[in-house]
Amino acid sequence: QTVVTQEPSLTVSPGGTVTLTCASSTGAVTSGYYPNWFQQKPGQAPRALVYSINKKHSWTPARFSGSLLGGKAALTLSGVQPEDEAEYYCLLYYAGAWVFGGGTKLTVL
Amino acid sequence: QVQLQESGPGLVKPSETLSLTCTVSGGSISGYYGYWIRQPAGKGLEWIGRMYSGGAANYKSSLKSRLTMSVDTSNNQFSLKLTSVTAADTAVYYCARDDADISGIVHWGQGTLVTVSS
Repeated sequence: QTVVTQEPSLTVSPGGTVTLTCASSTGAVTSGYYPNWFQQKPGQAPRALVYSINKKHSWTPARFSGSLLGGKAALTLSGVQPEDEAEYYCLLYYAGAWVFGGGTKLTVL
Repeated sequence: QVQLQESGPGLVKPSETLSLTCTVSGGSISGYYGYWIRQPAGKGLEWIGRMYSGGAANYKSSLKSRLTMSVDTSNNQFSLKLTSVTAADTAVYYCARDDADISGIVHWGQGTLVTVSS
């Protein structure tokens, strides 16, 4: 079965920069996996941030950016704000099916 | 803006069928995919499946034998049925929808907790 792997947890200081990654057990992540990224805060539904590697939604803050990095999908937060503390999930496409990563808990400290 | 709302029983007995409906407002389900995602308490998101408004569906392989999705474009709704449930199916269930020219999930419902217990 396909597994999508994210860092379980990361810590960043306010104003700092952090990169979250998303790896596929099938090999390098490419554009055909249409990487999506979501933010989820406790007690809330997830919110879409990025799709198709690096495209942002109209509500996505400019400090969030997506890319491909070393065979993985990546989400970089630049100038981190306290309100960015949350769980982040990536989502990859596999020929009709989608698979979520296990999530990264981002702590802003 | 597009809003989604899940509805259905919050408690289902083991071995019975879990049924949920997602109502879309502020936009259409026609021409889009409706998705179902679930999240057990304290755990990550799990993609369950998706259904195109035209009727084509894709299901998570491990759930395929128990899962049926349907769409009612006249009422702007899509639905989920999961048979033979066990405690492992206890989770918050989210419905979601994609958007024009976007591959992936964009709009989310608030989620509904379904508990499987006798």
